[in-house]
Amino acid sequence: EVQLVESGGGLVQPGESLRLSCAASGFTFSTTWMGWLRRAPGKGLEWVADIDQVGSETNYLDSVRGRFTISRDNAKNSLFLQMHSLRVEDTAVYYCASHGDRCFENWGQGTQVTVSS
Amino acid sequence: DIVMTQTPLSSPVTLGQPASISCRSSQSLVFGNGKTYLSWLQQRPGQPPRLLIYQISNRLSGVPDRFSGSGAGTDFTLNISRVEAEDVGVYYCMQGTQLPWTFGQGTKVEIK
Repeated sequence: EVQLVESGGGLVQPGESLRLSCAASGFTFSTTWMGWLRRAPGKGLEWVADIDQVGSETNYLDSVRGRFTISRDNAKNSLFLQMHSLRVEDTAVYYCASHGDRCFENWGQGTQVTVSS
Repeated sequence: DIVMTQTPLSSPVTLGQPASISCRSSQSLVFGNGKTYLSWLQQRPGQPPRLLIYQISNRLSGVPDRFSGSGAGTDFTLNISRVEAEDVGVYYCMQGTQLPWTFGQGTKVEIK
């Protein structure tokens, strides 16, 4: 059974940093593109970033590029999202997801990130 | 960016009756390899999103056959043949043809 378990969310002030983690199991993590997506309160789903199987290719939403960094540790079946200079508009539930063929096939339960002064 | 527009945004449905959600993209979703990367996801209340359909009409294993997808180019539809109580939630279309991957606004399916 595929499992994706996010952690690391919390309440921070604008300008602060947070690091999200995602522990993966039940599939071959090292051969799978992975991504982070979010859902802000009262809004729809939004893709944030993704990363290839070995961590050599990454893609970002324009509004997070330069502030967020996606990375992975295949030895530990883990995905990360380092977030700096957080803004109020980054407040959302953040989901870790595994790629299918240009779609997101499996999703974690999500972790809440709240940016507020 | 490719803009995905869903209609309606809210769909009150009687149990056992059909429901249909439309999704239109601002440009063709046909990729260079001839495939069309349009998928549909369901998000039940309090749950994470769940992939239902990929490449327009391919149901994921375990998805009931009352869900079906159709369309081509820029116009796509998700049909639920007979709505059940467990189908309540928000449905999203998503394009995987061009970065950034983008979603429709979501359609809330609720029981009348």
